[in-house]
Amino acid sequence: QLQLQESGPGLVKPSETLSLTCTVSGASISTTYTYWGWIRQSPGKDLEWIGSIYYTGNTYYNPSLESRVTIQVDTSKIQFSLRLTSVTAADTAVYYCARAGHYQPFDYWGQGTLVTVSS
Amino acid sequence: EVVMTQSPATLSVSPGERVTLSCRASQSVSSNLAWYQQKPGQAPRLLLYGASTRATGIPARFSGSGSGTEFALTITNLQSEDFAVYYCQQYNNWWTFGQGTKVEIK
Repeated sequence: QLQLQESGPGLVKPSETLSLTCTVSGASISTTYTYWGWIRQSPGKDLEWIGSIYYTGNTYYNPSLESRVTIQVDTSKIQFSLRLTSVTAADTAVYYCARAGHYQPFDYWGQGTLVTVSS
Repeated sequence: EVVMTQSPATLSVSPGERVTLSCRASQSVSSNLAWYQQKPGQAPRLLLYGASTRATGIPARFSGSGSGTEFALTITNLQSEDFAVYYCQQYNNWWTFGQGTKVEIK
């Protein structure tokens, strides 16, 4: 059974970098035709796709966040990460990692982790 | 970006009733449309994909319809566990979500 688990600091200061890791169990990150993605949900409840990394290693980002986002796969191939630079209060949200197939919705999700941006 | 618009924002219904939620895309997404259910403190749960195909383990009282830009999710014989927020999502052009419809107890 595929499981995803987010981890990382719950509090980040304004202008600093948010860093999260998603640990994948029950499947390989190298599984063909699979995207591993990050989605966030603001306190106002909107869900926003942040970006995804394809099994080939190619990355795809939401244009609204592209200048600040980096998604990478760990060399262990069981984790992928999110870095979001220059954060503001508007980046406060629950961050989820999830999996999608090619032209497919996100079918497996982590439980989510709340990140608050505050000094 | 494909903008997804859901209506209404809130539906107040009684258990046992039937409800229909609407979702509109700003451009055609073919049948690349999914519906999710989210309860407080939980991640979204995939209900339907391909506009009308139920995900594994989803009861038959959940059904979906539509293609192109207009979609609907219908829940018949509403159960207590169905009171939640429902989101549509297009995956024809990356992924974007609607703003959600809350189904609450009347």
